[in-house]
Amino acid sequence: EAGVVQSPRYKIIEKKQPVAFWCNPISGHNTLYWYLQNLGQGPELLIRYENEEAVDDSQLPKDRFSAERLKGVDSTLKIQPAELGDSAVYLCASSLDGAGGQETQYFGPGTRLLVL
Amino acid sequence: SQQGEEDPQALSIQEGENATMNCSYKTSINNLQWYRQNSGRGLVHLILIRSNEREKHSGRLRVTLDTSKKSSSLLITASRAADTASYFCASAIYNQGGKLIFGQGTELSVKP
Repeated sequence: EAGVVQSPRYKIIEKKQPVAFWCNPISGHNTLYWYLQNLGQGPELLIRYENEEAVDDSQLPKDRFSAERLKGVDSTLKIQPAELGDSAVYLCASSLDGAGGQETQYFGPGTRLLVL
Repeated sequence: SQQGEEDPQALSIQEGENATMNCSYKTSINNLQWYRQNSGRGLVHLILIRSNEREKHSGRLRVTLDTSKKSSSLLITASRAADTASYFCASAIYNQGGKLIFGQGTELSVKP
């Protein structure tokens, strides 16, 4: 069974440019998460989807970040415009049904973003 | 920051020794999970302990949970060089679905 797939693995852009990350969760997983991980820190949740619905986006900086999960499968996370401080690793994770709070989350390899 | 705390931040041991990492969290939880992250890779789930459990084992891993102290520990016995990685605890916040609050991690180095 394939794991969580993310692309691209690495991205270098200049500040003020837009950037998008893509995630394909494990087949059958209803819950999808986007995390931000700064160097030397643990991941921090940006947004959580239950199927197509964003049920927790309280930590998403909505002035420049947006996300979507069309058809409740793949998801994209976009930053426009990117700032220097957005340089980090963006992790996608999925779980069978996260609503119960007892599920293991499976993580993708992440997209490492560098903003110059 | 919502992040939990882990200590030590870094730990260096010899192969065969045991490694203990500690984690503290701030709010009521459904469960507490431990993850491993190799350099440049995603996180791998190691073990989940529910709030009504006090101790759990999986292979060379032993996890304890003390909800009165809001703390947990991860013990890796008979460590191997391949255990070298960063280890994160993540608390599943009570009544907030699948929301995990991660600690800042312990960087473990096991020398052959």
